[in-house]
Amino acid sequence: GNSVTQMEGPVTLSEEAFLTINCTYTATGYPSLFWYVQYPGEGLQLLLKATKADDKGSNKGFEATYRKETTSFHLEKGSVQVSDSAVYFCARSNTGKLIFGQGTTLQVKP
Amino acid sequence: DTEVTQTPKHLVMGMTNKKSLKCEQHMGHRAMYWYKQKAKKPPELMFVYSYEKLSINESVPSRFSPECPNSSLLNLHLHALQPEDSALYLCASSQAGTAQETQYFGPGTRLLVL
Repeated sequence: GNSVTQMEGPVTLSEEAFLTINCTYTATGYPSLFWYVQYPGEGLQLLLKATKADDKGSNKGFEATYRKETTSFHLEKGSVQVSDSAVYFCARSNTGKLIFGQGTTLQVKP
Repeated sequence: DTEVTQTPKHLVMGMTNKKSLKCEQHMGHRAMYWYKQKAKKPPELMFVYSYEKLSINESVPSRFSPECPNSSLLNLHLHALQPEDSALYLCASSQAGTAQETQYFGPGTRLLVL
């Protein structure tokens, strides 16, 4: 079936540390892939996306590359800030629906 | 402008009340969505409207009644809700509801049913 699997959190990092949040998806068709971020008490914001294999999405220092061979779309940032503390959702498109991963909570400490 | 607005921001209602949630977008999008999100969980799709017609109902109980008066507006009418319906209700929109599109989310309405 169609699913998205994210690494379990919470992930706790010190400021300026390197971030990786793993995401893999089941490979039916050629989905678009997304990372959304949800700050405490808010809705979801699109962080970045990629629509085909080998595309790299990037925004605000975050990057993710659409890897068809490993069915992955891992989120990375070179140097996290306290303000990056939030829940991150990986998602894939599926016939007009979004299939979300379970979400990964990131906490960045000063 | 990629803004989706939702009102109210917070809502408290009793199990016998009738209330409505509202969502608006001015991006010219023709697909609009309602999601329900419980704490520490991903959003769950409830309804999809495409070109003002209901295209997907994810087996949502009839106490939730969606309405799309025009291409910019989406309502969710609530009646006889249960405490377990307390959640964050998110609205989203996308260009036309096709497979690869980006969905843009509103800030949500936080609903508490007493």
